[in-house]
Amino acid sequence: QQPVQSPQAVILREGEDAVINCSSSKALYSVHWYRQKHGEAPVFLMILLKGGEQKGHEKISASFNEKKQQSSLYLTASQLSYSGTYFCGTEYRSGGYQKVTFGTGTKLQVIP
Amino acid sequence: DAGVIQSPRHEVTEMGQEVTLRCKPISGHDYLFWYRQTMMRGLELLIYFNNNVPIDDSGMPEDRFSAKMPNASFSTLKIQPSEPRDSAVYFCASSSGTGNSPLHFGNGTRLTVT
Repeated sequence: QQPVQSPQAVILREGEDAVINCSSSKALYSVHWYRQKHGEAPVFLMILLKGGEQKGHEKISASFNEKKQQSSLYLTASQLSYSGTYFCGTEYRSGGYQKVTFGTGTKLQVIP
Repeated sequence: DAGVIQSPRHEVTEMGQEVTLRCKPISGHDYLFWYRQTMMRGLELLIYFNNNVPIDDSGMPEDRFSAKMPNASFSTLKIQPSEPRDSAVYFCASSSGTGNSPLHFGNGTRLTVT
């Protein structure tokens, strides 16, 4: 039930753009995105509910394709502070309960 | 709000010993999740609770692992006996469980079993 993320790792130069993809084999209630710095806890970025919405957070935005059970995270004009590991959390509602599972993440490194 | 509080931050123990990890969720949150993080498997969901009741423990790797939530403000994850392959970072997270509620993670417990 763990989502599949791609790529597993990416290196960017400051100012470049990146896309991180997340897919699930099960019907999703929502998709969460988190960023984790080395040695720290994951920090919430945004959540997308069913409906194909797109949301933004500074220069980071995301979309959710409900039909394909896929979500993408877009990082534009990357900054050094964007470095970290990005996790998508796929939320299922089984019996009305919130269950969120994560995959192995995407390690992003932004270099000067 | 103090956030989710986990203790200890680091735990080093010998194989065969019992290990207890602790978590205090954010007040008012109905859900509590335990995750294990390793390089190979990423963030694995071990078990989660709703209103102190375990809902799904299918992620608990073996009978050596057990979790309890005796009240709304405290949960424990116990490993007995511990093995070197249990070495990982264990995160606790809580949420309010509403339609667009994110998970709030604690700072984690880094467990090393020698």
